[in-house]
Amino acid sequence: EPEVTQTPSHQVTQMGQEVILRCVPISNHLYFYWYRQILGQKVEFLVSFYNNEISEKSEIFDDQFSVERPDGSNFTLKIRSTKLEDSAMYFCASTGGASVTYEQYFGPGTRLTVT
Amino acid sequence: AQSVTQPDIHITVSEGASLELRCNYSYGATPYLFWYVQSPGQGLQLLLKYFSGDTLVQGIKGFEAEFKRSQSSFNLRKPSVHWSDAAEYFCAVGRQKLVFGQGTRLTINP
Repeated sequence: EPEVTQTPSHQVTQMGQEVILRCVPISNHLYFYWYRQILGQKVEFLVSFYNNEISEKSEIFDDQFSVERPDGSNFTLKIRSTKLEDSAMYFCASTGGASVTYEQYFGPGTRLTVT
Repeated sequence: AQSVTQPDIHITVSEGASLELRCNYSYGATPYLFWYVQSPGQGLQLLLKYFSGDTLVQGIKGFEAEFKRSQSSFNLRKPSVHWSDAAEYFCAVGRQKLVFGQGTRLTINP
C-alpha cells in the first residue's frame, strides 16, 4: 500500500541553525501539507501546497519557514534559523489523486529537537 | 472559527468492553470529519471519515462513528476493545486544512 515517508526520523540541531525536513508524498497525490505537534499538545496545521505554490498557511508559518517541491517526488520544509520552541514532531501529509478526496495520509513524522 | 473539542483527555476501559470517544466540532460549512489514531512513536493513521450521506460510518479495526449535525458531534465507537487499541485518538475537521482536537489517550486494562 502506498505511504508517505519522511526523513530523518529524528533531527537534533542547535538554535539558530537551518534544518530541512524531507517528505516523499504518495506518488499520485497533488496536495501536500505540513503539520506539527509540540509534545503533549494538539496537532497544528502549518501549510498546504498545491500546484507548486502555497495555498494556505497558518500564523505559525512565518518567514523562518519555507516549503519546496524540488522535484517530482520530494516535498521539503525548511526552517531557516531554528528556535527552541520549534522543537516538535513534524508531520507531512498528502491527498488528492486522480479523483480529489480530502483524506490526508500522514507520514511517520520527524522529531525535531532544538538545543 | 473552526474548532474541535475532545472532552476526555484520558479514558481507561477493560479489554472486551465497549468504547465511545467524544468529539464536538465547530465548522462554518458542511463538515468533513475524521478520526485518526496515533500509537506511541508513530504517525497518524486514518480510522474513518465522514463527508456526506449515511451518518453512521464504518472504519478500520472495527471502529465506527456517528455524525449528529444537531449536536455537532462525531463520536467514535467500538463494541469490544482489544489491548492493541491502546493509543491516542484524534478527531479532526476540515478540507484542505485539518483542525485537530487535543486527543484522547486510551488505556486498556487487561
